Amino acid sequence: GAGVSQSPSNKVTEKGKDVELRCDPISGHTALYWYRQRLGQGLEFLIYFQGNSAPDKSGLPSDRFSAERTGESVSTLTIQRTQQEDSAVYLCASRPWGGGAPGELFFGEGSRLTVL
Amino acid sequence: TQLLEQSPQFLSIQEGENLTVYCNSSSVFSSLQWYRQEPGEGPVLLVTVVTGGEVKKLKRLTFQFGDARKDSSLHITAAQPGDTGLYLCAGKRGEYGNKLVFGAGTILRVKS
Repeated sequence: GAGVSQSPSNKVTEKGKDVELRCDPISGHTALYWYRQRLGQGLEFLIYFQGNSAPDKSGLPSDRFSAERTGESVSTLTIQRTQQEDSAVYLCASRPWGGGAPGELFFGEGSRLTVL
Repeated sequence: TQLLEQSPQFLSIQEGENLTVYCNSSSVFSSLQWYRQEPGEGPVLLVTVVTGGEVKKLKRLTFQFGDARKDSSLHITAAQPGDTGLYLCAGKRGEYGNKLVFGAGTILRVKS
């Protein structure tokens, strides 16, 4: 499709297990963001990738969280030893690189994670 | 503490009423954006404002960026049930800052 694709759409896991969430951005979009959204709340910045530059990891809440991106394509967000407080919707967004321009973020539908 | 404070947190109104939601900060932003999010979907951009004092209109929606670029407002005239959703403001700091910071959002419910 033409939009940002995320998988899985829903994931239920047991406390202590590792999970991997995938994001396929819009083709040609060099910037990719991960956000976390708890129920009924706004978006919490996690990490930002821009081309081959070092990612901005300043929003990752703990060392259990990590993310990778291969070039300008797919990104994976990994949460190790999941905790119940990790339950949330994880949103991925991409945008074309526009330097300092305040470009539009295009969001996927999110991956809903439930940790039992 | 949220960098961007949105108010009210929740608003329930009747169809046809007018409303205003606010996005405030003590920090200066190079630009502010407003997004709307419906259940089960990602946020969708409504508008971007970049100049202090700027006013933009999108049909029944009017957006304003404060003169000091620290705050913004969204006014909806004659609200309709289709306006129901979570309204998020998001700010970008610095000429080349890449991190887009979001407020906690205003949940709007318009009853018919």
